[in-house]
Amino acid sequence: GDSVTQTEGQVALSEEDFLTIHCNYSASGYPTLFWYVQYPGEGPQLLFRASRDKEKGSSRGFEATYDKGTTSFHLRKASVQESDSAVYYCALSDRGSNNRIFFGDGTQLVVKP
Amino acid sequence: GGIITQTPKFLIGQEGQKLTLKCQQNFNHDTMYWYRQDSGKGLRLIYYSITENDLQKGDLSEGYDASREKKSSFSLTVTSAQKNEMAVFLCASSMAGDWQAPLFGEGTRLSVL
Repeated sequence: GDSVTQTEGQVALSEEDFLTIHCNYSASGYPTLFWYVQYPGEGPQLLFRASRDKEKGSSRGFEATYDKGTTSFHLRKASVQESDSAVYYCALSDRGSNNRIFFGDGTQLVVKP
Repeated sequence: GGIITQTPKFLIGQEGQKLTLKCQQNFNHDTMYWYRQDSGKGLRLIYYSITENDLQKGDLSEGYDASREKKSSFSLTVTSAQKNEMAVFLCASSMAGDWQAPLFGEGTRLSVL
């Protein structure tokens, strides 16, 4: 079945550090991939999505490139800020999944000033 | 603009009690979802609905009922609240199609005494 794996449960960085959160997926078809961000006390909100191989999604300095060969959609940011502290979720939607969205377990990002 | 409204925002229940959570959206979205989020954990799908009067079970449907009587609303019932249970229930909605990213409400925070 479809699934999403986020390797890191928590990432701790200092301001201006480079961020990578790894996301790998398994899907029977050609899925659409998403990154969401969730701040404390709020629901997750969409950062960006991508639906084709080599397509880059980006928003607010975050970016990820759809890689069908390695089945990955890793989230990156060149210079994190304290305000980026949040939980980040990778997700996928597959045409064969009847509109069901599969989420990874989430990665807690803590950025220290 | 549209909005997803979850009521109540906070819910305190007693062990064994039946509790109902409500979700309304005015985006005219086809698909609606209920997720459970435990502290420090990811999103687990309870039920989703791809159209009015449709119900699809997620990974965590045991102990819950759901109802989609109108396109704009989706309710979730905890059939018997468990002692010391604490979780956030998140409602989301999206248009049909794998490209469509779900939009989330702010959640209902449940505590069971």
